[in-house]
Amino acid sequence: NAGVTQTPKFRVLKTGQSMTLLCAQDMNHEYMYWYRQDPGMGLRLIHYSVGEGTTAKGEVPDGYNVSRLKKQNFLLGLESAAPSQTSVYFCASSSRLASYNEQFFGPGTRLTVL
Amino acid sequence: EDKVVQSPLSLVVHEGDTVTLNCSYEVTNFRSLLWYKQEKKAPTFLFMLTSSGIEKKSGRLSSILDKKELSSILNITATQTGDSAIYLCAVEESKSSGDKLTFGTGTRLAVRP
Repeated sequence: NAGVTQTPKFRVLKTGQSMTLLCAQDMNHEYMYWYRQDPGMGLRLIHYSVGEGTTAKGEVPDGYNVSRLKKQNFLLGLESAAPSQTSVYFCASSSRLASYNEQFFGPGTRLTVL
Repeated sequence: EDKVVQSPLSLVVHEGDTVTLNCSYEVTNFRSLLWYKQEKKAPTFLFMLTSSGIEKKSGRLSSILDKKELSSILNITATQTGDSAIYLCAVEESKSSGDKLTFGTGTRLAVRP
């Protein structure tokens, strides 16, 4: 099992460009999450999904959109990138059937917006 | 607003020292508290704690939750350079829209040889 994978690993964008980050998991998890991690800020939840076709806003959703068309994939889109979106992005997934919400994380995507 | 606070923010110790990391929380509908270790990349799970107050142990690491004080500690004894990492505390809440984790800012631990 690959677990949670993210593509790309690194990306540099210019202000105003758009891009999509892909998260894939092969654990048949219902829940998927997108976080961003900035120095001194910990992990902040951007959007999450509790099942295929459903998404919800997290703590810092502005400037991002998501889609969960397939259970195993969760896409994070930036329509018009801004320097404030320079960060490391982590995807995570967890099982609805677990007794507690242990989230499994992908390796992260380092995004720089110039 | 839900809050998870970790202290200290950073810590430098020498190999063999014992360290105690703290996590306090203010959340509604508390369900559990999780500790993660983050080295270069993805956070990896260490422990899950509930209001039962049962201590969890794994080798030189141990953790316990104080439900009265709404806090948890993570102890690492006889530290090694491989313990250098960011330690993240996260609190799980039960919400109608799906369970979420609220993370603290983390404690950056550096263990010097």
